[in-house]
Amino acid sequence: GAGVSQSPRYKVAKRGQDVALRCDPISGHVSLFWYQQALGQGPEFLTYFQNEAQLDKSGLPSDRFFAERPEGSVSTLKIQRTQQEDSAVYLCASSSGGVTYEQYFGPGTRLTVT
Amino acid sequence: QKEVEQNSGPLSVPEGAIASLNCTYSDRGSQSFFWYRQYSGKSPELIMSIYSNGDKEDGRFTAQLNKASQYVSLLIRDSQPSDSATYLCAVIGGGSQGNLIFGKGTKLSVKP
Repeated sequence: GAGVSQSPRYKVAKRGQDVALRCDPISGHVSLFWYQQALGQGPEFLTYFQNEAQLDKSGLPSDRFFAERPEGSVSTLKIQRTQQEDSAVYLCASSSGGVTYEQYFGPGTRLTVT
Repeated sequence: QKEVEQNSGPLSVPEGAIASLNCTYSDRGSQSFFWYRQYSGKSPELIMSIYSNGDKEDGRFTAQLNKASQYVSLLIRDSQPSDSATYLCAVIGGGSQGNLIFGKGTKLSVKP
């Protein structure tokens, strides 16, 4: 079946621009997570949704980062007034929400801020 | 601060050998443990999950968990050049909503 999809795959933004990154989870998966991965590092948690509810946003690095999942399916991560330190790969993962907690990742969006 | 530690490597093994990857975690309340494989330029791919002490085998992969020692390992038998990748250990901490805490990964190189 279809896995997690993300778009765009690559995004170049000038410093100060706003960007929106989209995630389409595996059909039926209630849990959706966003992670940020810097080069040579493991992914770091940003935020978590269960259906449409954002239950944890403790990993968002600043108030320039905002995420939503209005209908409990597709999610958008928005970054306002991008800075060079926002350059990273943004990964979305989904999980069925069952007891196994296994998360499956999309291909990621590589954001480069110039 | 909940932490997951891995040796960054690179770990180099000859084709056909056993590769042993290790991980320790700081949160004693952690209950769920995962190994992901990440090829260069790609996203993490789940290869093993383990939830209870002992060994779990899946094909050429064996995950081992020792909660008393806060230690997780991954053994890859009959290593192949296609196994060359970075292996990420991930943990769901106690009391969390289910988010993964990752180590920095161990780079494995399997030489033909």
